[in-house]
Amino acid sequence: RKEVEQDPGPFNVPEGATVAFNCTYSNSASQSFFWYRQDCRKEPKLLMSVYSSGNEDGRFTAQLTRASQYISLLIRDSKISDSATYLCVVNQGGATNKLIFGTGTLLAVQP
Amino acid sequence: EAGVAQSPRYKIIEKRQSVAFWCNPISGHATLYWYQQILGQGPKLLIQFQNNGVVDDSQLPKDRFSAERLKGVDSTLKIQPAKLEDSAVYLCASSPINRQRGVRSSYEQYFGPGTRLTVT
Repeated sequence: RKEVEQDPGPFNVPEGATVAFNCTYSNSASQSFFWYRQDCRKEPKLLMSVYSSGNEDGRFTAQLTRASQYISLLIRDSKISDSATYLCVVNQGGATNKLIFGTGTLLAVQP
Repeated sequence: EAGVAQSPRYKIIEKRQSVAFWCNPISGHATLYWYQQILGQGPKLLIQFQNNGVVDDSQLPKDRFSAERLKGVDSTLKIQPAKLEDSAVYLCASSPINRQRGVRSSYEQYFGPGTRLTVT
């Protein structure tokens, strides 16, 4: 089983749609969780952290469910500029601050 | 604030040749990471330095890959000899880890633009 699993997509959605990405992780001792965004041929950049209480940043909402080791990202009113790969990332904590990346989910927002 | 710098941006070599990549992290960042990102996959950690010491190199293929960070700032990653399966983007990242008792560390990692390696 992969340490971090995501649906690779692609997700093709029309502008204005709501799209949800899911992610599961295998290590129950993982301590912190993130969504990174990676544009085509660019480096990954932190989109937002994920907390059990849920957190929202404009059109983006992230949620962590520890009991089921599940992470989600919801994008409302999607824009063409949201087209990118969304990487689910888990920090296993401890002394190394090691990030484990999922394979990413490709989103294409169509006009 | 200047970001993570990497060079070269692109490199094409033949199998069995050697190649080296360079990374300059964000000023003041103690921790430096090298990742390998194969097309269609997420980045995979190869090696992590804290200042000039290695913290984690468990996924570094040590028979052909080596890395150093001699003065705790810049770092180089070398592949010798290269194989076809080494074709990937090599990403360098840094973070301002500052571990003090009772203080939450900063976990955000800042990535450089990467070096795209093609082995033919």
